[in-house]
Amino acid sequence: QSVVTQPPSVSGAPGQRVTISCSGSYSNIGAGYDVHWYQQVPGTAPKLLIYGTKNRPSGVPDRFSGSRSGTSASLAITGLQPEDEADYYCQSYDSDLRGSNWVFGGGTKLTVL
Amino acid sequence: EVQLVQSGAEVKKPGESLKISCKASGYSFSTYWIAWVRQMPGKGLESMGIIYPGDSDTRYSPSFQGQVTISADKSISTAFLQWSSLKASDNAIYFCARFGDHFEPVDYWGQGTLVTVSS
Repeated sequence: QSVVTQPPSVSGAPGQRVTISCSGSYSNIGAGYDVHWYQQVPGTAPKLLIYGTKNRPSGVPDRFSGSRSGTSASLAITGLQPEDEADYYCQSYDSDLRGSNWVFGGGTKLTVL
Repeated sequence: EVQLVQSGAEVKKPGESLKISCKASGYSFSTYWIAWVRQMPGKGLESMGIIYPGDSDTRYSPSFQGQVTISADKSISTAFLQWSSLKASDNAIYFCARFGDHFEPVDYWGQGTLVTVSS
């Protein structure tokens, strides 16, 4: 069980807006550590979607946006497109963990209806 | 161009040993961390551990401490993940990933290595 929680699944019709939450605690997201989001199409490597909570790497459409409030972060996708159907993971740093100190959310499967 | 190229899929029996690799190119291997990330069938991403090739500083996530060994060879810009005795529960895809420091995201991923352990 991850210390950062995501909903197992979300869905939306093409053109709609969906949000994916990433709920943490005061040792990770709530401590102000950056949150990163990855998109993974099954069978392929994850791809960086949002870094530093709200920044998009070059090439990522501005339909994707990130935000944080308290101990949670969110990924919003507007103008949903069929190619957005994938798994989405949040990642942050956790001061209570040992090793890499990384924490991944459990992942959210986005279905485009 | 930055690339992380992993070794190919492996099929092993329980109890066998295995070492998989991640060859880096297009950047200074010694100055970025490499992480190994496990993805079990139908499951999410789990951080196994990280290594800084510059000084071989290696850190394991608690669940993987003592279960695997992470290493790197700067002379060939390659990181490794090895098991001394595989279990069926090691069935997974293993990704290597590059990042700058603990607060930064992974900016490059390897393509993944599928490890199948079956008697």
